[in-house]
Amino acid sequence: TQLLEQSPQFLSIQEGENLTVYCNSSSVFSSLQWYRQEPGEGPVLLVTVVTGGEVKKLKRLTFQFGDARKDSSLHITAAQTGDTGLYLCAGGGHNFNKFYFGSGTKLNVKP
Amino acid sequence: DVKVTQSSRYLVKRTGEKVFLECVQDMDHENMFWYRQDPGLGLRLIYFSYDVKMKEKGDIPEGYSVSREKKERFSLILESASTNQTSMYLCASKEADNYGYTFGSGTRLTVV
Repeated sequence: TQLLEQSPQFLSIQEGENLTVYCNSSSVFSSLQWYRQEPGEGPVLLVTVVTGGEVKKLKRLTFQFGDARKDSSLHITAAQTGDTGLYLCAGGGHNFNKFYFGSGTKLNVKP
Repeated sequence: DVKVTQSSRYLVKRTGEKVFLECVQDMDHENMFWYRQDPGLGLRLIYFSYDVKMKEKGDIPEGYSVSREKKERFSLILESASTNQTSMYLCASKEADNYGYTFGSGTRLTVV
């Protein structure tokens, strides 16, 4: 059983479309991170959110941490082919050194 | 550019062999981690280390051991490789507190 559930597992869209992916848990996290992983590479950190209700923007990417700090969402506006990859969320507890990862959303943006 | 370097991108080993996966970081991070990544299961923590010669078990330590003799180097050892250890292995390092992981490019290990 995954501590963090990500949905959808797979998403295939056309360039220019908007999309939202979700990361849900029954546990409360002190912080939550989002990573993007491209084939053959390790995950790369996109953002860390720490406050319930927090919203962070990174160009066309908008990240939100749920008020209860149990869930998060990633919204991409006007997706580009370069957004293709595996998006992973990771939740950290009071021991910030140990984060739990979801199984990811595999995004394919078609030209 | 800061880096976590894993010694091999691809490895093929036979069942029963002792396997060493090496990882080096150049960021002077205290914390280093070994994860394995399998489709549908995400990243699962095998072991981590918060200081030289210190180690802690993660969620799936069975069949693995680790060594951290120097701050910059963290090795994962498969004592007797088995086919169910075929996986992508990812090494990461991290500063303390709420900073993100820096991952290596991974080692894809196949045990035949």
